[in-house]
Amino acid sequence: GQNIDQPTEMTATEGAIVQINCTYQTSGFNGLFWYQQHAGEAPTFLSYNVLDGLEEKGRFSSFLSRSKGYSYLLLKELQMKDSASYLCAVSDITSGGSYIPTFGRGTSLIVHP
Amino acid sequence: SAVISQKPSRDICQRGTSLTIQCQVDSQVTMMFWYRQQPGQSLTLIATANQGSEATYESGFVIDKFPISRPNLTFSTLTVSNMSPEDSSIYLCSVKGTGYDTGELFFGEGSRLTVL
Repeated sequence: GQNIDQPTEMTATEGAIVQINCTYQTSGFNGLFWYQQHAGEAPTFLSYNVLDGLEEKGRFSSFLSRSKGYSYLLLKELQMKDSASYLCAVSDITSGGSYIPTFGRGTSLIVHP
Repeated sequence: SAVISQKPSRDICQRGTSLTIQCQVDSQVTMMFWYRQQPGQSLTLIATANQGSEATYESGFVIDKFPISRPNLTFSTLTVSNMSPEDSSIYLCSVKGTGYDTGELFFGEGSRLTVL
C-alpha cells in the first residue's frame, strides 16, 4: 500500500510559475506519474519519473527524489487553460501482479487573470 | 496511445437497480482497468479485467458488487449491482501504454452515475 499527499487547492496568476508538491510513502516503488484532469474530463498523462532528478517537457517539469519520497510538478508561464486538477500517482503493484499508478486526491489549480 | 470509448457517459439510476458500463478500446490490450472516482476523491482501482480469466479485484471491492466481463481483447464491461447512493461516482476504464513510459494509463471519458 501507499500514502500519497498533495495540497488540495492552489491559486496562481496567469503568466506566473507554480509548483505542486507531492509526498508519498510506498512499500514498492516503480515510478511516479503526474496527470492533468480538467473538470468533467478523463485524466491525461503529463509526466513520468523513475530516476531522481528533473524531467522537462515544455512548460511543465517534474522532479523526483526517491530517498525523500518527494516529487513536484512545476508549471511555467501559466495559462488560463492550465486550471485543472493535477494528480500525483505512484506506480505500485496490484492484486493481479501488475504495476499501475495509484493516485493521490489531486490538487485543484485555479489560474486567474 | 489508445482511444477508449465508454458508455453510457452518464446515467441517473434508482436505488437497488444495476447498471452495466461498456468500454471499447481501438487496439488489442491484455489488461483493462476499472477505476472509480467519487466526488472530491482520488481515482481508486476497482479491478483488473483480464481476457480469458476472472478479473482480479482490489481490497474493498468484490465480484458480487462489481461483476466484470472481458469477452475479447478490445472490450470489457463493469456492472454496478444493487446500487445505493454511495455508488454515485464516475467510473473510468483505462489501459496501459506500451511505450517508454511503462505504466502510463489512457482513460476513457468516464461514466458518471447518480443513484437516487
